[in-house]
Formats: sequence, C-alpha cells, structure tokens
Amino acid sequence: DTEVTQTPKHLVMGMTNKKSLKCEQHMGHRAMYWYKQKAKKPPELMFVYSYEKLSINESVPSRFSPECPNSSLLNLHLHALQPEDSALYLCASSGLIDGYTFGSGTRLTVV
Amino acid sequence: AQSVAQPEDQVNVAEGNPLTVKCTYSVSGNPYLFWYVQYPNRGLQFLLKYITGDNLVKGSYGFEAEFNKSQTSFHLKKPSALVSDSALYFCAVRFQYAGNNRKLIWGLGTSLAVNP
Repeated sequence: DTEVTQTPKHLVMGMTNKKSLKCEQHMGHRAMYWYKQKAKKPPELMFVYSYEKLSINESVPSRFSPECPNSSLLNLHLHALQPEDSALYLCASSGLIDGYTFGSGTRLTVV
Repeated sequence: AQSVAQPEDQVNVAEGNPLTVKCTYSVSGNPYLFWYVQYPNRGLQFLLKYITGDNLVKGSYGFEAEFNKSQTSFHLKKPSALVSDSALYFCAVRFQYAGNNRKLIWGLGTSLAVNP
C-alpha cells in the first residue's frame, strides 16, 4: 500500500491533447517531487516543490507545467507532448531526513 | 562531482543463497543513503536507509545494508534469497547543497534475478 496516490495509472494522449497527472500525499511531508522514468533506468528529477513553492526545475520543457495547490496535492499539466515523452511519471514526497515515498506512477503513452 | 555507482548491471543468485547488491558513492559531506526496489510496472518502494548511528541497517523484507565510510560503500544484503526478490534495485544518496536544498543522486540500478 502506498501513502502517495497517483492518478490516473495509465494515460494515452495525442500530441495535441491537454491532460493532467495528479498526486496526493497525507504524510505531512512538505517536499514533493515529479520524476520521469524510462524503462530499466533510474528516475530523472523534473520538479521539486518545497513548502508549496517551486524550488527546483531541472530544465524541463515548458510543455510540462507543475502546480502545487496545497501541501497535499501536486499536479503535472501536460500539453503538446512528443512521443519521446512517453514514460512512467512518478510523484514522491519527503520529510527533512526521510527517504522519499513514491507513488505507483502514471504510465504515459504519447501517440 | 557527486556520484553513485552500482557496478553490476545484473546479479544472479540461487534461491536460498545469500545475495549482495553493491553500491559505492562519491559525495561530499555526510550523505544519507537509501535502497529502493522496483518490481515490473510498479513504482519505487523504499527498502532501508542510513542516516547516522549503527553501520548495519535493517530494512523491509529481510534486507539489510552495511555502511562503510572508509570504502564509501553501502552494499545491500539478504541472508537467503527468494524468487520474489527478483526486481530492479536502486541505490540513492541524498546530499545537502545550497542551503536547505537536497537532492537524490541515483545509481543506474542492478537487476536481481533469483533462480528457483
């Protein structure tokens, strides 16, 4: 059982579509993260929110737009994606010295 | 440069035998060390961490890891492997930089195959 919930689990979208990935945590963590993971590779950091403010953007293309409405929620808005953006998108949260707790991910396919 | 190395892409072990998955790191300061496991088509699951204290850390599913500061290693071990342990294992190091910012650096992963 995961304490970080991601929806949807699977998403297929066209290159002109707009969609959003959602993440929710109830662990009281004040840092939340979006990662992108390709098959059999380590996750790649995309964005970090700390106390609901964007603190790190790892030079992610603007077709990915993060949003943190409150301390429990994290969204990733997607627009005009490319086929190479197909991947597993992972949300995570953490405390000051904790490891990260990951959600089960959204498997995104761009067609 | 900060880095984490998992020198083996693949580890094969027979069920019931002990297993070791290796991890070494090169990070300045006092790092926090983690192991995660990923089963096919799943997210990453936390196994164990070393922050400070006893060098031998026990974690989930019977796994343990030994922190060795002089060798900058944090190898994952289990006394008796199960077929269900077959998965992809990632070592990660969290370090502090630029004030309160923290980042995880990941190893490339080791695929563990436990043969019945």
